[in-house]
Amino acid sequence: AQSVAQPEDQVNVAEGNPLTVKCTYSVSGNPYLFWYVQYPNRGLQFLLKYITGDNLVKGSYGFEAEFNKSQTSFHLKKPSALVSDSALYFCAVRDSGGYQKVTFGTGTKLQVIP
Amino acid sequence: DADVTQTPRNRITKTGKRIMLECSQTKGHDRMYWYRQDPGLGLRLIYYSFDVKDINKGEISDGYSVSRQAQAKFSLSLESAIPNQTALYFCATSARQYDQPQHFGDGTRLSIL
Repeated sequence: AQSVAQPEDQVNVAEGNPLTVKCTYSVSGNPYLFWYVQYPNRGLQFLLKYITGDNLVKGSYGFEAEFNKSQTSFHLKKPSALVSDSALYFCAVRDSGGYQKVTFGTGTKLQVIP
Repeated sequence: DADVTQTPRNRITKTGKRIMLECSQTKGHDRMYWYRQDPGLGLRLIYYSFDVKDINKGEISDGYSVSRQAQAKFSLSLESAIPNQTALYFCATSARQYDQPQHFGDGTRLSIL
């Protein structure tokens, strides 16, 4: 069975500093990986995805993510955090080999401190 | 207008009542999903539908049922609500290709007393 782990319930970072939100995954085949963001009272919004190709993926709002196959990780990053980045972030995985459902992590709350 | 619309946005009801949550979409996607979100548990899949005639149970379907009335409409029912079904419920859609992301509604906050 596929799975996703987000080891940190909350990440605190000062405004202007770089941020990293961690995600590791387990699938039997090649992974399709996604990051979503959730603001209060809103649904999840798609940020970026890794399907194949370059290990560094760029997405919305200045976010990027680094795919590392050997470590089965897909960490979300941003060079300079904004207070408006404070939200709940979810990593998700789908097995490209045929398991058709998406598995979500438990979410990481990002708090950017002014 | 939102691409994925959920109604109602909030609902408070009593144990034993039947409840229907509705979802409609204008994205033209074949695939629709129902999730529940609980603090610390992330999103868990209740039911999913790959087209009008293809409905499948997710990981936590007990106590829930669904109806796909049309490509654009997918409703979730709680036949006899119980307090541990208190949660935030999300509808989502996606295109057929497996590399495409899901698109979420803004959720229904359901409280069962």
